[in-house]
Amino acid sequence: AQTVTQSQPEMSVQEAETVTLSCTYDTSESNYYLFWYKQPPSRQMILVIRQEAYKQQNATENRFSVNFQKAAKSFSLKISDSQLGDTAMYFCAFSGGYQKVTFGIGTKLQVIP
Amino acid sequence: GAVVSQHPSRVICKSGTSVKIECRSLDFQATTMFWYRQFPKQSLMLMATSNEGSKATYEQGVEKDKFLINHASLTLSTLTVTSAHPEDSSFYICSAQGLAGRNTDTQYFGPGTRLTVL
Repeated sequence: AQTVTQSQPEMSVQEAETVTLSCTYDTSESNYYLFWYKQPPSRQMILVIRQEAYKQQNATENRFSVNFQKAAKSFSLKISDSQLGDTAMYFCAFSGGYQKVTFGIGTKLQVIP
Repeated sequence: GAVVSQHPSRVICKSGTSVKIECRSLDFQATTMFWYRQFPKQSLMLMATSNEGSKATYEQGVEKDKFLINHASLTLSTLTVTSAHPEDSSFYICSAQGLAGRNTDTQYFGPGTRLTVL
């Protein structure tokens, strides 16, 4: 069974600064997908970024980038130039070959003006 | 693209009644839809996986007779909470996964439904 671990329950960052959220996972599968989802106070789950395990290149989406270390089973999210709208719960998620997604417990990020 | 809607956003019902929640993929066809439950300050708990035209697969501990799921078309799945009780009060979220292109390996989420059972 897959597990996803987010070891930072809460984090804060000053507006315009950079913050990194950690995520590790455990799996025996060789091909899989990793995601970061954001859940703001509205509770709408929003896909932030997606990484395919067979791709060595780290995914980037504007101010969001990941550091994917496959051997270490690590998948951290870096948010650059943090904005107030980035305040949210961030969930790391894993999907193997069977459609189900396993979520971490989340990291609550507060962006401070 | 990849927009999922959910209706209603909020519902309050009396104990013993049934409530239906709809989940629609608006701009793509979803072969698979998922239903989650989220308790306050917790992560999402998968309740069931629904494939179009077939019976849903329920996770262990989820009562299939209480949480009826129908996925009759490639754009619509429904969750019916039957004989609701206060302990069923929760935030229910659906997600959809598509047929082709980059949507096939990614779940896109609806905005959720807050159910309160009095």
